[in-house]
Amino acid sequence: ELKVEQNPLFLSMQEGKNYTIYCNYSTTSDRLYWYRQDPGKSLESLFVLLSNGAVKQEGRLMASLDTKARLSTLHITAAVHDLSATYFCAVEPMNRDDKIIFGKGTRLHILP
Amino acid sequence: EAGVAQSPRYKIIEKRQSVAFWCNPISGHATLYWYQQILGQGPKLLIQFQNNGVVDDSQLPKDRFSAERLKGVDSTLKIQPAKLEDSAVYLCASSLDQGGRYEQYFGPGTRLTVT
Repeated sequence: ELKVEQNPLFLSMQEGKNYTIYCNYSTTSDRLYWYRQDPGKSLESLFVLLSNGAVKQEGRLMASLDTKARLSTLHITAAVHDLSATYFCAVEPMNRDDKIIFGKGTRLHILP
Repeated sequence: EAGVAQSPRYKIIEKRQSVAFWCNPISGHATLYWYQQILGQGPKLLIQFQNNGVVDDSQLPKDRFSAERLKGVDSTLKIQPAKLEDSAVYLCASSLDQGGRYEQYFGPGTRLTVT
């Protein structure tokens, strides 16, 4: 069964700092998604990564996918308070009969 | 473009009662998902529809949960009877197709509290 592990699960950081969230998964996959969830709100799609080596950037967030290492990273550059949220990765197995699995989420708190 | 609509937004029931949730996906989206999100955890897929057919319901507790997708558009999720551990947010999502080339768009969710 596909397992998806995110770390850290909780991150408190100062504004202006850089940090990386990691998403490891246990089966072959070429499709990975990153979502953001604000408290009490639903999930918002951030990135869709569809191939090995894929890199996407939006503002201060950059996501990458290494399918050989079964690893995706979400890098935050010069964090600002508005980025405080919970970030989830979701992995779609290459076997399309298997369901998409979400990680437990990384709760990011950026201190002003 | 209108987003995924869900109702109600909140529901409080006693254990052993029944409850139903409704979802209207984005127009033209063939695939519809129901997720359960327990506080502090990631969403867990309950059931996935492609048009009006079930693609995956392996994690749906079928002794108490049921779901249908009417004419391949709207969907309802029902719990009967509810248990305390069903307290969670129930999220509906839709995507253009099952191929996974498109991300899922999530509705606002229904927060269920079972007392």
